[in-house]
Amino acid sequence: DQQVKQNSPSLSVQEGRISILNCDYTNSMFDYFLWYKKYPAEGPTFLISISSIKDKNEDGRFTVFLNKSAKHLSLHIVPSQPGDSAVYFCAASEVDSNYQLIWGAGTKLIIKP
Amino acid sequence: NAGVTQTPKFQVLKTGQSMTLQCAQDMNHEYMSWYRQDPGMGLRLIHYSVGAGITDQGEVPNGYNVSRSTTEDFPLRLLSAAPSQTSVYFCASSYLAVYNEQFFGPGTRLTVL
Repeated sequence: DQQVKQNSPSLSVQEGRISILNCDYTNSMFDYFLWYKKYPAEGPTFLISISSIKDKNEDGRFTVFLNKSAKHLSLHIVPSQPGDSAVYFCAASEVDSNYQLIWGAGTKLIIKP
Repeated sequence: NAGVTQTPKFQVLKTGQSMTLQCAQDMNHEYMSWYRQDPGMGLRLIHYSVGAGITDQGEVPNGYNVSRSTTEDFPLRLLSAAPSQTSVYFCASSYLAVYNEQFFGPGTRLTVL
């Protein structure tokens, strides 16, 4: 039973436009959410996070939105750049599980020039 | 700073062989963890450690052992390799387990024949 789902295996976006990556979760006890970016043959790198007490967090071109009632979060990248082409993972944790991260399967983002 | 280093980068084993995947970090992080990533799936936690001398099981611990004798090193041992353990293994570290971004190593690609 997947607790964190990224239903789009891939997404193609024109350079300069907005990229929106989605993530759904089933465990209402999750209280912290993170997005990681991964290039081929490298480990994931942290992008941005959000606590369940917030509904939005921004860092430069990256914004994460959290809708707790829908159990849904999204990552917006504006404007999209060629270097943003990578696999994006969302992950979630809760205090009762010692903050172990539960990961989605990832979405491959392709930025077209 | 080298960050998180992993050796080897690639390894091929025969069923039943044992080996140790090495992981080291030079950031004085207390929290370290091992994940495996299989095709089409997110990362899954194998074992983690919240400090030297303390380890605990993650989501998929069977067939693996860990120890944490120093803050810097967190080796992962495969006791008797099985084809089901063919995967990419990532080691990660963070200052704390709680609400902290994890820094990942480049990964070890393991094939068990």
